[in-house]
Amino acid sequence: QKEVEQNSGPLSVPEGAIASLNCTYSDRGSQSFFWYRQYSGKSPELIMFIYSNGDKEDGRFTAQLNKASQYVSLLIRDSQPSDSATYLCAVRLTDSWGKLQFGAGTQVVVTP
Amino acid sequence: DAMVIQNPRYQVTQFGKPVTLSCSQTLNHNVMYWYQQKSSQAPKLLFHYYDKDFNNEADTPDNFQSRRPNTSFCFLDIRSPGLGDAAMYLCATSRAGGNQPQHFGDGTRLSIL
Repeated sequence: QKEVEQNSGPLSVPEGAIASLNCTYSDRGSQSFFWYRQYSGKSPELIMFIYSNGDKEDGRFTAQLNKASQYVSLLIRDSQPSDSATYLCAVRLTDSWGKLQFGAGTQVVVTP
Repeated sequence: DAMVIQNPRYQVTQFGKPVTLSCSQTLNHNVMYWYQQKSSQAPKLLFHYYDKDFNNEADTPDNFQSRRPNTSFCFLDIRSPGLGDAAMYLCATSRAGGNQPQHFGDGTRLSIL
C-alpha cells in the first residue's frame, strides 16, 4: 500500500504569518503532486500542483518538492482567516494508471 | 462556467434502500471518478471511468455500482446501504494523462437512517 503522510494538526497560525505544511510519500517513482484545500463540509479544491524539484509560487502559495527525500510542502504566506481549512496532499502513483493517493490532510487554523 | 455538478447535495435514505447519486460535467473530460470520504479521512477512490472503460478498485464493496451513459454523466448506485456507508461522496473529473489534475464537484452528503 503506497502511503501519503501528513500531520493532522491542527496547525495554529497567527494572521499574517507563514503556514508551513509537510507531506511525505512512499512511491519513489511519483512525478506529479497536488495540493487541495477543503473547507469543512465542502469538497476539495485544487490550489497547486508541482512536477519538478524546487519551488513553484502562485500568489501567496508556494509548493516545494524534493523527490530525493520524497517530500513535498506547501507554504502559505500572509495567512488569512479564510485560509482556515484542511489541506490535502495528493500524489499520483506510478504502478497503475495514474491513481491519486491522498493524505488525510492537515487542518490549518488562522487566528486573528 | 465549466464545472462538475453533483446532485443531490444531501441525501437521506433508509438502511437497505437503494440510492443513486448523480454527477455531470461540462469540462468535456474523459475520466470521471467516484470517491468516498468519511470525517477526517482521506478521500477513498471507489472506481473510475476512462471514457466508457470502467475500473473498479479492488477493495470497493460489491454494494457499490456505477454507470456512465455518456461523456457528461456518471451515476453511483448503492444497492443496499448500510450504516457504514454514511459519508461524503465526491465526483471528480480530469483529462487523461499523468499530470492532469482532478476537479471535484461539491459532493453529496449521504445519511443512512
